[in-house]
Parts: sequence; C-alpha cells; structure tokens
Amino acid sequence: QQQVKQSPQSLIVQKGGISIINCAYENTAFDYFPWYQQFPGKGPALLIAIRPDVSEKKEGRFTISFNKSAKQFSLHIMDSQPGDSATYFCAASKGTGRRALTFGSGTRLQVQP
Amino acid sequence: GAVVSQHPSWVICKSGTSVKIECRSLDFQATTMFWYRQFPKQSLMLMATSNEGSKATYEQGVEKDKFLINHASLTLSTLTVTSAHPEDSSFYICSARKGVNEKLFFGSGTQLSVL
Repeated sequence: QQQVKQSPQSLIVQKGGISIINCAYENTAFDYFPWYQQFPGKGPALLIAIRPDVSEKKEGRFTISFNKSAKQFSLHIMDSQPGDSATYFCAASKGTGRRALTFGSGTRLQVQP
Repeated sequence: GAVVSQHPSWVICKSGTSVKIECRSLDFQATTMFWYRQFPKQSLMLMATSNEGSKATYEQGVEKDKFLINHASLTLSTLTVTSAHPEDSSFYICSARKGVNEKLFFGSGTQLSVL
C-alpha cells in the first residue's frame, strides 16, 4: 500500500518559472511532512518541512502548501534555476522520536536555461 | 545542518563476499538511525531501524540474517551485506535523526555493485 503518492513523475520547467510538485497521503496519523532534494549519486538533503498546524511555510524560493482536509501538500519552487534540476521526494511520518519516513515516488525536475 | 557521514561511497565486490557500510553522525548523537535502499530512478525504501544498544527492527521482507545492522554507539551504525549477490546491487543510504524534532539527515549513500 502506497501511503504517500507523488506527482508528476517528471517535470520540465523553464528558467524563472514555477515548479510545482504534489503529494497526497492516506494515513491521517502523519504529522510531519518534509521535502528532500536528491542529486544523482548523493543522499537526499532536507529542503523544507511542515507540520499540519500550519497551511503554508516559506523558506527562500521554496514554499510548502498544506491542505489537511484534502490530505495533500505541495512544493512550489519559485524562480526555478538550472541548479534546481534534481529529484525531489516528499515524505511523511507520524509521531515523534524513533519514527521512520515514508517517501513518495519522486519527481525528476529539469529546469531548462 | 547536521552531518551524517557514510562510507564507503561505492564498493564493488564478488558474489558471495560480505560488505560493511558505516554510517556516522559527526556532530550529534543519534539514538536512532535508519537504513534505506534505493534502486535506480526509484524511491527510498526503508530496510530497518537501528536503535543504539538494541536489536534493529527490520521491515517486512528484509532478511535480517542477510542485512546485519549494528548500532554500537550513539554516533555509529553499520550495515553488513552478507554473502552478497548481484541482486543486492543497489544504492544504500543511512539517515539519522537529530533529537526529537523530526529532522532527519541523510548520508551521501553507498553504491554497491556485486559482480
């Protein structure tokens, strides 16, 4: 059972444009939703994360929008740059302490110059 | 951010041999570390949760006798792939949680190729 569904699988955006990646989750017990960026041959790096008590969080060019009732959250990359080209994963976990993350399937983003 | 060091970054071995991968939290103590496996162009799949001073908790379908995990200290967890076979070839990534604030930091991964 896939608990976190991510779309699109791949995305091509022009430089300066907005990249939008969406995720939906099934488990209402999830209470932590991070986004990770991964370059080829490297481990994922934490970009930004949100908890369900807020609907939006912004850090620089990255914004998470969260819709608790719809069980959906999305990543918006403003003013996308070629250096943003990577694979992005949404994830979710429940509880605190020793809980592992459940990852979405990933989105390969390509920002064209 | 916190630093998680993973070594080696890549390893090639012959079928039937064992390979050990180390994961260290360099600037914080991690009571819990996680080991993931990632196939090309796919997502990260949790293999096991490594708890300092106790036995690891394995996900369904992961052979604990094949993937030995040891978490002997608050800064080091090791994954040993025993009697490796070509189908074990994959990208293995460890992660560690800094405190209880849910931030999870990942190592740089280990690409294992079994000939």
